[in-house]
Parts: sequence; structure tokens; C-alpha cells
Amino acid sequence: DAGVTQSPTHLIKTRGQQVTLRCSPKSGHDTVSWYQQALGQGPQFIFQYYEEEERQRGNFPDRFSGHQFPNYSSELNVNALLLGDSALYLCASSLAGTNTGELFFGEGSRLTVL
Amino acid sequence: GENVEQHPSTLSVQEGDSAVIKCTYSDSASNYFPWYKQELGKGPQLIIDIRSNVGEKKDQRIAVTLNKTAKHFSLHITETQPEDSAVYFCAARKGYSTLTFGKGTMLLVSP
Repeated sequence: DAGVTQSPTHLIKTRGQQVTLRCSPKSGHDTVSWYQQALGQGPQFIFQYYEEEERQRGNFPDRFSGHQFPNYSSELNVNALLLGDSALYLCASSLAGTNTGELFFGEGSRLTVL
Repeated sequence: GENVEQHPSTLSVQEGDSAVIKCTYSDSASNYFPWYKQELGKGPQLIIDIRSNVGEKKDQRIAVTLNKTAKHFSLHITETQPEDSAVYFCAARKGYSTLTFGKGTMLLVSP
């Protein structure tokens, strides 16, 4: 049973560029959440996708956008990259309708913005 | 929104000792409190969780306690081992909302 998979694992971009990160949820899960984890900090919620729609959003600017596909996989897009966007981006999957359902995290995509 | 405070930020213990990490939350409506362990270069992994209708839960060497009145919950690790060394995060959630995480505790267990 494959867990949550993310790609790429590491990438380096320069300020102003755009980046796309990808996530495949754990088998059987239909909800994908994205988190940003800055060095030495806890994960911060970006947004959550269910049924191909953004259902909840954290306090992140519109430069952060996402998409969910019919197979439940998801993408996170960040435009006009800033130095402060450097972080580990975590994808987590869960099953909708379970208010205490466990979040399964991937290994993350580490983004460095120069 | 919910705010989760976690202490201490770092914790060093000798192998075999106990370790305790404490968290407080602000939203009295929160009803789910998981703890995650994050090893270097990996994503967070759930180690134990507790719901608001339970005061304590144990799983082998790990236990979590919840005090709803005081709005705080704690992780207890007994007989610590070097492989317990990692960053531990507490989190809180209300209903179907998202998890709010603490800032983490780096636990170092020395042989």
C-alpha cells in the first residue's frame, strides 16, 4: 500500500520564478492538504482540496494556488517566488467525513529560493 | 483561529529516562489532539492521538493526557531510547477543520 508520494524531493528556484509541486495521496484517501514548514517551525496550513475544489484555505496569499485531479492527486503552484517561500512543502492525505481522521504526510518537497 | 503553544523547544534526556512535552490550545471547541514525530529529512508521522471525550491514552511507552478545563495536553515517553530522538509536534483540530500545529520540540536521547 503506497503512502503519500511527493515530487520533486528537492528543487532550487530564483526569485520571481514559478514552481509546481505534486502529490499522490495514500490509496483510498480523497482529500489532500498542503502545508508549508519553515526551518525550525511547525507545519502551517496552506489549503485543502476535496472533490477537485479548494475547501479550506489558510493565511497564504493568492500566489499560492492548487489543483486536484479526478484521481485525487494534487498540485501546489507558487508564482512570483520570494526568498521567504523557501521551506519544506508537505502534502497530507485523509478520508473525508472523518473529523478525527488521521493525516498521512508525505516526505515533502524542499524548495530553496535564491 | 486556534493557537497551539508547545514547550519545551528542546529536551535532552539520558537513555531510560522519561520525557514530557506539553501543549496548550486556545479554542475550547477543539476535539482532536494528535502528536507527530518527524525524523530528519522525513515527513511527520502520527504516533498517538486523543479525542476530547478521553482523558488519557497509552500505547506501549507512549501516553498522552488531556485536560480540557485547562486546555492543555501532554505527551509522555517512558524508557526513552536513542531512536526516540526526533522533533515532536502537537496539534489541535475542531470538527472538520484543519490541524493547527505547535512549533515542535527537539528531543535528544543520549546513550
